[in-house]
Amino acid sequence: DAMVIQNPRYQVTQFGKPVTLSCSQTLNHNVMYWYQQKSSQAPKLLFHYYDKDFNNEADTPDNFQSRRPNTSFCFLDIRSPGLGDAAMYLCATSRERVINEKLFFGSGTQLSVL
Amino acid sequence: RKEVEQDPGPFNVPEGATVAFNCTYSNSASQSFFWYRQDCRKEPKLLMSVYSSGNEDGRFTAQLNRASQYISLLIRDSKLSDSATYLCVVMEGGNTGKLIFGQGTTLQVKP
Repeated sequence: DAMVIQNPRYQVTQFGKPVTLSCSQTLNHNVMYWYQQKSSQAPKLLFHYYDKDFNNEADTPDNFQSRRPNTSFCFLDIRSPGLGDAAMYLCATSRERVINEKLFFGSGTQLSVL
Repeated sequence: RKEVEQDPGPFNVPEGATVAFNCTYSNSASQSFFWYRQDCRKEPKLLMSVYSSGNEDGRFTAQLNRASQYISLLIRDSKLSDSATYLCVVMEGGNTGKLIFGQGTTLQVKP
């Protein structure tokens, strides 16, 4: 049974049209991460939540926002998608932010921007 | 310089071959090290953690050299099902839990 669920699996949006990607977890984990992975590149951390505490990466564009209304759900909002934002978006969770703590990944949302 | 560097390959090997992947990392304060496997258009999946003493899981052996900031993965007796991209991953020091991924090395095992 999937423990980290991302919807939708594939998302197509238009240039400049806001889009929201969702992630839910049944693990009751404290930490939820959003990674962006472009074709043939490494996954890159955008931001993470530790409980309700939002932690943005310094180089994440302002175009990317996130919400975590409760422990189970986390959303990635792209306010004005550009062609360069086409990528796989991966949600991951972990129980705590400590060394050797395992991350659980969702199956990802593949975003296309037309 | 990238924080985690890998040879992207691809490595094309016949079934049964032994293949080795290498990885270097730049932050000497990094605390945890992993190899992940990623199939095309799928999420990364943890293959194994990497310890200084070296560790083995079946046909897979991982090694860490902290002095040289170098990580390796050895796959013996390659199977067709081993074809995938192998990501070298380093956990940043401090209480962030942040994983830094390498670009990945692509392996194609041929019959």
